[in-house]
Amino acid sequence: DVKVTQSSRYLVKRTGEKVFLECVQDMDHENMFWYRQDPGLGLRLIYFSYDVKMKEKGDIPEGYSVSREKKERFSLILESASTNQTSMYLCASRGRGSNQPQHFGDGTRLSIL
Amino acid sequence: DAKTTQPNSMESNEEEPVHLPCNHSTISGTDYIHWYRQLPSQGPEYVIHGLTSNVNNRMASLAIAEDRKSSTLILHRATLRDAAVYYCILVGGTSYGKLTFGQGTILTVHP
Repeated sequence: DVKVTQSSRYLVKRTGEKVFLECVQDMDHENMFWYRQDPGLGLRLIYFSYDVKMKEKGDIPEGYSVSREKKERFSLILESASTNQTSMYLCASRGRGSNQPQHFGDGTRLSIL
Repeated sequence: DAKTTQPNSMESNEEEPVHLPCNHSTISGTDYIHWYRQLPSQGPEYVIHGLTSNVNNRMASLAIAEDRKSSTLILHRATLRDAAVYYCILVGGTSYGKLTFGQGTILTVHP
């Protein structure tokens, strides 16, 4: 089975801090994704990567950046955390091919105080 | 991106079949129909997908209308563990597999 592991289940940070959320997958997948999920807004795509060092903006990239130095690891960075970035963050990975499913981690619940 | 329409909520009794509908009238010829579900406090979980023909796997069946403008996810015998939000999502051939989530259908299963 595909395993997508997010480094923290719960995280509390302060406004203005630089925050790193880490995600690792063990299936040699080319594509990796970061979403956030908020009540009433559903899941929204922040960034995705289709190869090492390659990245594309999703629907809500403002205030975030990403890093993919190795194929198995995709990091989401909040350069200067703000309270409106309090959310559930979900990472996913997917193999090559238009009909491949995405596999999700269990999420990181991030609170910015 | 082509959109999907699902009922906000549905209810079922345990051990009965459940048919979750999805309308996607603007689907394009290369769009796959994917279904995911999200159990409480977990990330979304892939359920099934198809293009034109009906599909079966160990979790569910997917029935696709002949004109592809609608589909139905079938859980053959609902269990309490099937209570979740179910998402029907169209995935285009050139979209890098990006998923655009709607609000989904909240399925409640009664004992």
